[in-house]
Amino acid sequence: NAGVTQTPKFQVLKTGQSMTLQCAQDMNHEYMSWYRQDPGMGLRLIHYSVGAGITDQGEVPNGYNVSRSTTEDFPLRLLSAAPSQTSVYFCASRRTGELFFGEGSRLTVL
Amino acid sequence: GENVEQHPSTLSVQEGDSAVIKCTYSDSASNYFPWYKQELGKRPQLIIDIRSNVGEKKDQRIAVTLNKTAKHFSLHITETQPEDSAVYFCAASSVSGGSNYKLTFGKGTLLTVNP
Repeated sequence: NAGVTQTPKFQVLKTGQSMTLQCAQDMNHEYMSWYRQDPGMGLRLIHYSVGAGITDQGEVPNGYNVSRSTTEDFPLRLLSAAPSQTSVYFCASRRTGELFFGEGSRLTVL
Repeated sequence: GENVEQHPSTLSVQEGDSAVIKCTYSDSASNYFPWYKQELGKRPQLIIDIRSNVGEKKDQRIAVTLNKTAKHFSLHITETQPEDSAVYFCAASSVSGGSNYKLTFGKGTLLTVNP
């Protein structure tokens, strides 16, 4: 099993550009989530999903959209990037216990 | 929603000493408390977890204790080694679904073990 796979690993955007961070898992987990990690702020939940067709907001959802059309995929969309969205983004999934993380995507918005 | 507070934010110990990191949570419905270790540039990885039906769990040099009445839980690392240096995160959630199924993390503790 590949586990949780995120792409891209690195991305530089200009203010106002849009992009999608891809996330896929092959563990048949119903729960998937996106976190952002900033120095001194820990891991903050952006959006999460408890199954295909179901999404909900986390702690810091503004500026981000998600969808969950399949169990495997949970993309995160930035519609109009802002410098405040410069961060490391982690996708993660779980069944009932352990949360499995992807390797992370480092995004810089100029 | 759930709120998790973690202390201290930084901790420096000498090799061989013990390290203790403490967390408190707010939602009495939470019943799953994992600890994650994140090395520099890597993804967080689970090191130990505890569910609310037990008060303590050990795995070699690491242990976690839980006090449900006081809503706090702690990570204990004994005989620390330089490779224990990392950022440690506590978290809380429910394992039974519902709105509390999401994991809420503390802000992390940077542990430095000095040789």
